[in-house]
Amino acid sequence: AQTVTQSQPEMSVQEAETVTLSCTYDTSESNYYLFWYKQPPSRQMILVIRQEAYKQQNATENRFSVNFQKAAKSFSLKISDSQLGDTAMYFCAFTDYGGATNKLIFGTGTLLAVQP
Amino acid sequence: DSGVTQTPKHLITATGQRVTLRCSPRSGDLSVYWYQQSLDQGLQFLIQYYNGEERAKGNILERFSAQQFPDLHSELNLSSLELGDSALYFCASSEGGASNQPQHFGDGTRLSIL
Repeated sequence: AQTVTQSQPEMSVQEAETVTLSCTYDTSESNYYLFWYKQPPSRQMILVIRQEAYKQQNATENRFSVNFQKAAKSFSLKISDSQLGDTAMYFCAFTDYGGATNKLIFGTGTLLAVQP
Repeated sequence: DSGVTQTPKHLITATGQRVTLRCSPRSGDLSVYWYQQSLDQGLQFLIQYYNGEERAKGNILERFSAQQFPDLHSELNLSSLELGDSALYFCASSEGGASNQPQHFGDGTRLSIL
């Protein structure tokens, strides 16, 4: 069964600095998708970035980028120029490519606090 | 605004009761997913519907059931409620059932069992 592990329950970063959140996963599939979702105090689940496993190029969305290491089954999120609005719980998630369902499997989350 | 509407936002009830959570997907989306977020279990997939048909089941209890109606809205029914059912229940939708289509989440229904 696929699993997603986030080993950092909490992290803190100063405003304008860079922070990296870690995620590892386990799967026997060769094609899949990985995601980072953000859950601010408002409880909404917001898609931050996604990566297709068959693409070697790391995905980037403005200040957010990933370091995808397929062989190591690692998928970390880098937030540059951190802003107070980045304070949130961040979830790493996985889904199969082409399976019967594209259900998301989530990690346990990392609570990120951006300090002024 | 994701375009996914969940009602009600909050629900407080007692053990043994039955509740219905409602979800309206984004316009044009055929797939609806239900997830449960609790302190004990984290975020877990419950069930997926695609165009009115059940597509996949996850860790959904037998006391829980769901359906997707012809207008594509979905309802999650929770019965014989227990204290442990207290959680945030999310609905998400996607255009189809393919994994390359992102899921858009509603704001959730906070269920509290007293």
